[in-house]
Amino acid sequence: QEQLVESGGGVVQPGRSLRLSCAASGFTFIIHGFHWVRQAPGKGLEWVAGISYAGNDKKYADSVQGRFTVSRDNSRNMLDLQMNSLTIEDTAVYYCARDWMLKGPNIYYFDLWGRGSPVIVSS
Amino acid sequence: DVQMTQSPSSLSASVGDRVTITCRASQGSGNWIAWYQQKPDKAPKPLIYGVATLESGVTSRFSGTASGTDFTLTISSLQPEDFATYYCQQYHNYPPTFGQGTRLEI
Repeated sequence: QEQLVESGGGVVQPGRSLRLSCAASGFTFIIHGFHWVRQAPGKGLEWVAGISYAGNDKKYADSVQGRFTVSRDNSRNMLDLQMNSLTIEDTAVYYCARDWMLKGPNIYYFDLWGRGSPVIVSS
Repeated sequence: DVQMTQSPSSLSASVGDRVTITCRASQGSGNWIAWYQQKPDKAPKPLIYGVATLESGVTSRFSGTASGTDFTLTISSLQPEDFATYYCQQYHNYPPTFGQGTRLEI
């Protein structure tokens, strides 16, 4: 069964850091790119960051550029999101999502989603 | 960024109804349009990609069409499990962007 499971969310003070992880199973991890998509409370969906299947192409939304870093560990089938200098506006459920494309540039269609990890930034 | 204007923002319907949700893109998005269904406290579920291609396992009650920069999701005969929030997404232009959602309720 194909599955993505996020972890690492929690409550953090403004200005602090948090690292999210996403464990993949049930499919071949190394041939897919991956993304993080977030959803603020009661709001819609916002793409945050993406990484190519080879790990050499990383892209970020303007709202997190310079503060968030996406990475992957193909030996462990894991995706990470390092979030620094967090602000209240970063409060959201963060979803790990798989890119539909196989062994190619990300196309930004998300065909598999995790259940999400909540991040609350509050003093 | 491409703005995806989704309408209506909410919709009341009954079991058996045919409903249509529309997204208008602020610029050309080709056939690179997806639709997702989200139920409360759940992850979005992919329904349709490439404007009209159903994801594996998705019922044929769902269908997608396009006309220029207008994209439509149709549910042919509402079932109780279809009451949810629906999002469109364009992935033709970077960055990918979503509509604001349509809440479909009884």
